[in-house]
Amino acid sequence: GENVEQHPSTLSVQEGDSAVIKCTYSDSASNYFPWYKQELGKGPQLIIDIRSNVGEKKDQRIAVTLNKTAKHFSLHITETQPEDSAVYFCAASPDTGRRALTFGSGTRLQVQP
Amino acid sequence: GAGVSQSPSNKVTEKGKDVELRCDPISGHTALYWYRQSLGQGLEFLIYFQGNSAPDKSGLPSDRFSAERTGGSVSTLTIQRTQQEDSAVYLCASSLEWTPSYEQYFGPGTRLTVT
Repeated sequence: GENVEQHPSTLSVQEGDSAVIKCTYSDSASNYFPWYKQELGKGPQLIIDIRSNVGEKKDQRIAVTLNKTAKHFSLHITETQPEDSAVYFCAASPDTGRRALTFGSGTRLQVQP
Repeated sequence: GAGVSQSPSNKVTEKGKDVELRCDPISGHTALYWYRQSLGQGLEFLIYFQGNSAPDKSGLPSDRFSAERTGGSVSTLTIQRTQQEDSAVYLCASSLEWTPSYEQYFGPGTRLTVT
């Protein structure tokens, strides 16, 4: 089955700096890669996703890049703000077989004002 | 509109007791997912429903775990003879279609503590 590894487990940045979180996956059949943000006491919320036919996707201060050859994808947050502080999860899934997301172990991002 | 709701929000139970966790998905969502999140860990997939049927139950940790969905809506996750290692936050999510590329909307979770 799929295995997703996520790094770093914690990340502290100064407000205004950029933050990068990296994930690798094992199943070459995976073709959908979402990123979720989880705030304390709440369920995860989708912030951006990318499909395997695209190498990069941007949405305002958030971008995701995908390298299918190397089987890794990354989340980039620019101009970080204190409200970006949360736990971020990457995930991967194929569109065939078990169509369920496999999540990484999460990155706790702390943005220092 | 209303999001995914789960009840109870917190549950404390004694080891060996049975518990039922409830999930109310977003109206019209055909797919429903259950995940478990242990302290400081990622989300562990348990089971999903397409309509009322669960095509893949292999994510359930043991035969003490079962789930059902009725009327294509409400789902219950039942844990029999609870053990301390069952303590975790149980999250439910729903999506419009049974394909991962459709956004999954998560509920706030049920925090289960087994004493």
